[in-house]
Amino acid sequence: NAGVTQTPKFQVLKTGQSMTLQCAQDMNHEYMSWYRQDPGMGLRLIHYSVGAGITDQGEVPNGYNVSRSTTEDFPLRLLSAAPSQTSVYFCASSYKGQGGSYEQYFGPGTRLTVT
Amino acid sequence: KQEVTQIPAALSVPEGENLVLNCSFTDSAIYNLQWFRQDPGKGLTSLLLIQSSQREQTSGRLNASLDKSSGRSTLYIAASQPGDSATYLCAVKIDSSYKLIFGSGTRLLVRP
Repeated sequence: NAGVTQTPKFQVLKTGQSMTLQCAQDMNHEYMSWYRQDPGMGLRLIHYSVGAGITDQGEVPNGYNVSRSTTEDFPLRLLSAAPSQTSVYFCASSYKGQGGSYEQYFGPGTRLTVT
Repeated sequence: KQEVTQIPAALSVPEGENLVLNCSFTDSAIYNLQWFRQDPGKGLTSLLLIQSSQREQTSGRLNASLDKSSGRSTLYIAASQPGDSATYLCAVKIDSSYKLIFGSGTRLLVRP
């Protein structure tokens, strides 16, 4: 298993540009999510999905869109990039383990800079 | 609103020392608590997950404890090694969904 994969690893955008961060998992996990990590602030949830065709907002959803057409893929779209979206983005997947544990598995991250 | 705090933000110890990392949370109504390791420029690796009904979990030189009533968890690392140098994050699951609330992490340096 490749686990959770993310592309690209690095990206530089200009303000106002749009782009899609890709995330895929090959573990047949129902649940997928996107987090952003900023210095001194831990990880914050952007959007999540509990299955194909179902998505919902997390803590910081503004400026981002998601869709989940397959179990494997969960892309994150930046509609009009802003400098405040400079961050490291992590995708994670999860399954309902023993006792409802929902242990999460993370991708390697995408480092995004918006100038 | 659930808040998760990790103190200290950074820690430097000599190799071989036993150490404790702390995690506190404001609302004791949690489903579970998970400890992660993050190496520089890398993603998060799950170390230990403690269910709300459990008091501790062990994996090798790592032992994590959970005290819901006091809103605390500790990660104990025995006989620390330079390879343990990383940032350690704790996260709590607060409801029946799978969303996690993260602390900001403790950056650990183990000096040879």
